[in-house]
Amino acid sequence: QVTLRESGPALVKPTQTLTLTCTFSGFSLSTSGMCVGWIRQPPGKALEWLARIDWDDDKYYSTSLKTRLTISKDTSKNQVVLTMTNMDPVDTATYYCARRYGGSYFDYWGQGTLVTVSS
Amino acid sequence: EIVLTQSPATLSLSPGERATLSCRASQSVSSYLAWYQQKPGQAPRLLIYDASNRATGISARFSGSGSGTDFTLTISSLEPEDFAVYYCQQRSNWPQMYTFGQGTKLEIK
Repeated sequence: QVTLRESGPALVKPTQTLTLTCTFSGFSLSTSGMCVGWIRQPPGKALEWLARIDWDDDKYYSTSLKTRLTISKDTSKNQVVLTMTNMDPVDTATYYCARRYGGSYFDYWGQGTLVTVSS
Repeated sequence: EIVLTQSPATLSLSPGERATLSCRASQSVSSYLAWYQQKPGQAPRLLIYDASNRATGISARFSGSGSGTDFTLTISSLEPEDFAVYYCQQRSNWPQMYTFGQGTKLEIK
């Protein structure tokens, strides 16, 4: 079955760079049409899409966060990595990775990982 | 950037009642609209994709309709497990990106 799991630090200091890893199983990111995205959710607030990487290594970013984000993949390890630079307390959120396959929606989601930005 | 506006922000209903949730886009999104359910402490779960198609394993009491800028999620007869927050989401082509609505909280009356 399809599963995704996010991992990374629970706490980062302001100005630091956050690195999150999404490890997935049950599908391959080398399959045509397959994509993995990152979405975050500040406590008590709405969802916000961050980035997406496609099977052909095309990458897409939120226009408002584009300068701070980098997404990459390691197909052999079934992993997608998101880095976000210059972290700020407003970036405190639960970060989710999710699969998109052939459509315009995310059909499988990881459980999320809470990242707190604080000195 | 396309903005999705959901209404109402909170909907208070009783089990067995019918729920109607709205999502309005600032410009046409064709039928590229999805609905998700999120319960406390859980990841969102896909309910409806392409405006009106139920995702795998989703109960038939959930239905979606609309196209262009106005969309509706209807829950025909509320079950206790349906009380949650619901989000709509769209994908735009240029630039390629996704936006979510601010959510509708469906609470027990």
